[in-house]
Amino acid sequence: GENVEQHPSTLSVQEGDSAVIKCTYSDSASNYFPWYKQELGKGPQLIIDIRSNVGEKKDQRIAVTLNKTAKHFSLHITETQPEDSAVYFCAASSYGANSKLTFGKGITLSVRP
Amino acid sequence: GAGVSQTPSNKVTEKGKYVELRCDPISGHTALYWYRQSLGQGPEFLIYFQGTGAADDSGLPNDRFFAVRPEGSVSTLKIQRTERGDSAVYLCASSSTYLDEQFFGPGTRLTVL
Repeated sequence: GENVEQHPSTLSVQEGDSAVIKCTYSDSASNYFPWYKQELGKGPQLIIDIRSNVGEKKDQRIAVTLNKTAKHFSLHITETQPEDSAVYFCAASSYGANSKLTFGKGITLSVRP
Repeated sequence: GAGVSQTPSNKVTEKGKYVELRCDPISGHTALYWYRQSLGQGPEFLIYFQGTGAADDSGLPNDRFFAVRPEGSVSTLKIQRTERGDSAVYLCASSSTYLDEQFFGPGTRLTVL
């Protein structure tokens, strides 16, 4: 089955700096890669996703890049703000968004004011 | 409703007891998912419904776990003979064929004493 790994487990950046979070996956058949943000006591919230037919996607301060050959994808957050502080999870699926997702362990992002 | 709702928000039970966790998906969403999230980990897939039927139950850890969705809307996750290792946050998500995103509820925190 699919295995998704995230490293490191924590990341601290200064407000205004950029943050990059990387994930690797094992199943070459995976074709859907969402990123979720989870705040304390809440369920995960989708912030951006990418499908295997594109290499990059942007939405304001957030972007995701996908390298299918190396089987890794990254979340890029520019101009970080204190409210970006949360746990971020990457996930992968072999059957698109409407099927089971395999999640990484998550990374705790802290943005220092 | 505006989002996925889950009840109860917290459930404390004793080892060996039976529990039911309820999920109300977003109105009109045909797909419903259950995940389990242990402390410091990412969500782990349990089961996925498309309409009333379980399309994929490969994540259910053993036969103590069972889920139903009799009318294709509300779902109940049932755990028999609970064990301390079942303690976790149980997350429910739903998705629409058209929007292609899994929306998560806030979760039910289950504690087995």
